[in-house]
Amino acid sequence: KNQVEQSPQSLIILEGKNCTLQCNYTVSPFSNLRWYKQDTGRGPVSLTIMTFSENTKSNGRYTATLDADTKQSSLHITASQLSDSASYICVVRERSNDYKLSFGAGTTVTVRA
Amino acid sequence: SQTIHQWPATLVQPVGSPLSLECTVEGTSNPNLYWYRQAAGRGLQLLFYSVGIGQISSEVPQNLSASRPQDRQFILSSKKLLLSDSGFYLCAWRSPGGDQPQHFGDGTRLSIL
Repeated sequence: KNQVEQSPQSLIILEGKNCTLQCNYTVSPFSNLRWYKQDTGRGPVSLTIMTFSENTKSNGRYTATLDADTKQSSLHITASQLSDSASYICVVRERSNDYKLSFGAGTTVTVRA
Repeated sequence: SQTIHQWPATLVQPVGSPLSLECTVEGTSNPNLYWYRQAAGRGLQLLFYSVGIGQISSEVPQNLSASRPQDRQFILSSKKLLLSDSGFYLCAWRSPGGDQPQHFGDGTRLSIL
């Protein structure tokens, strides 16, 4: 069964500090991995997409990494801001499957002033 | 630009009552459409997806049904709600093929009393 495990479940950081979120998956065959940001009471919004050949990709203060051999990904948030408080969800897609996505349970990040 | 509208934002219903949640997409044609349920501390669960008008695929057996009467309209329904139907329901759309992300609506918080 395809699974996506995220850690930690939640974390609290001070404004301006960095943090790293982890995602381990067993989805096979692998197509791509996305990180979504979900603000409270809103729908998820895509931050980055990682394909098999990509190791690192940045989107502003967000940097995602992918190790396809170990099936691990991370999302690093640099110089956190209060607006970064949200749930971050790791989503992995199977190759040749247009509709089937495997979702992690998310990591809830709280940034405090 | 494309937009997705989902309503109502919140809904409180008694057990045994019917349900109708509506989702519409603007600015695109022939999108893939999805209904998800998000439970606290768990990943999004795919309920239904549709690749065209009248084409509905169900992922899990349940008390719910879906319909797509128009290209950009997706409806989630139930004849008799159960307590276990409580949750956060998200509609999403995606352009078919390629590595396009899913775009989510802002969800409906459904509480069954």
